[in-house]
Amino acid sequence: GAGVSQSPSNKVTEKGKDVELRCDPISGHTALYWYRQSLGQGLEFLIYFQGNSAPDKSGLPSDRFSAERTGGSVSTLTIQRTQQEDSAVYLCASSLGLAGGHITYEQYFGPGTRLTVT
Amino acid sequence: EDKVVQSPLSLVVHEGDTVTLNCSYEVTNFRSLLWYKQEKKAPTFLFMLTSSGIEKKSGRLSSILDKKELSSILNITATQTGDSAIYLCAVPNTGNQFYFGTGTSLTVIP
Repeated sequence: GAGVSQSPSNKVTEKGKDVELRCDPISGHTALYWYRQSLGQGLEFLIYFQGNSAPDKSGLPSDRFSAERTGGSVSTLTIQRTQQEDSAVYLCASSLGLAGGHITYEQYFGPGTRLTVT
Repeated sequence: EDKVVQSPLSLVVHEGDTVTLNCSYEVTNFRSLLWYKQEKKAPTFLFMLTSSGIEKKSGRLSSILDKKELSSILNITATQTGDSAIYLCAVPNTGNQFYFGTGTSLTVIP
């Protein structure tokens, strides 16, 4: 079946521009996560959506970062006024999440978007 | 502060060797620990551990959790070049935020 997809796969933008990164999770997965991975670093949690609940935005590094999840499916991560330190691979993951009172933690990752801010 | 620490940071071995990767954690209200393999971009799931002392096994890979020591190990026996990757350890906190370690970069030389 279809896995998690992300677009674009690569994005080069000039400092100060806004960018939108898209994530299409696995159908039926209620949980969606965004992570950032800088060169040689581990995954940094950004934001977590579970069903229709308010998202956990505690990992967003600044107010230039925002994310939406429309209809409990596709998610968009927006970075406004990009800075060079925003350059990284942005990974999206989905999981079955909270279903039937039980949380499933196994996450399926998309291929990521490599963002380069020049 | 919740955190996950992995060691070693990197490892170079020859094909056929056995390796042990370590993950230690400090996370409030621990519930599970997950191991992932990252070859190019997308990490792929390996194991989820919730109970101490129970080994999970998949082929040449195995993992075990020690809640007393707040740690887990991932063993790979008879390593192959295809095992070369970054191995990530992750632990969710109460709010389902996942804390990832920086990973162990494994290189298997033919």
